[in-house]
Amino acid sequence: DGGITQSPKYLFRKEGQNVTLSCEQNLNHDAMYWYRQDPGQGLRLIYYSQIVNDFQKGDIAEGYSVSREKKESFPLTVTSAQKNPTAFYLCASTGQGPIGGQYFGPGTRLTVL
Amino acid sequence: RKEVEQDPGPFNVPEGATVAFNCTYSNSASQSFFWYRQDCRKEPKLLMSVYSSGNEDGRFTAQLNRASQYISLLIRDSKLSDSATYLCVVGPSGGSYIPTFGRGTSLIVHP
Repeated sequence: DGGITQSPKYLFRKEGQNVTLSCEQNLNHDAMYWYRQDPGQGLRLIYYSQIVNDFQKGDIAEGYSVSREKKESFPLTVTSAQKNPTAFYLCASTGQGPIGGQYFGPGTRLTVL
Repeated sequence: RKEVEQDPGPFNVPEGATVAFNCTYSNSASQSFFWYRQDCRKEPKLLMSVYSSGNEDGRFTAQLNRASQYISLLIRDSKLSDSATYLCVVGPSGGSYIPTFGRGTSLIVHP
């Protein structure tokens, strides 16, 4: 079955550590996105990529980094520079350019101890 | 003015009721519109696209009013399992690939 997978589902990190969240899709979608969702809040865009080897900052990119070396993969690194990283992280993709709906992975819940 | 606005609710309705949500958007050039459903601590899932002519999927009906720049979602014969947050999403325009999400409307269906 086609879909988007994210791992791990839950992640605990000590302050000062970098962590990388995985996002893989086998939908053959060109565009991929990373969002952050805080309790009771809407989605906020961290980074997005329209095509392999290209990505753009979203609204809250500070303290995060991404890469897009393969069409299927769009990992997100949460660096120690991110001041409040505890949140629910969602990866999404879309295959119809600007007009298509997005499909989301199951998310990674990151907690900083 | 926020780009996409929704009443956060919660809308508290009994089983079997009909409930409607509205969502207003500010970008008149937007070409695509969607409703998503998000269950507690889960990812958003695409519920339905919204077409100019209106569209129906079982108990769910979506409408688009371009003149007034709003979209609506009507749920008939509400089920307990409809309890969730419903997100309004307005697609990008002008070559952008970034859709705009509303903050969601919470629906609670009670017995």
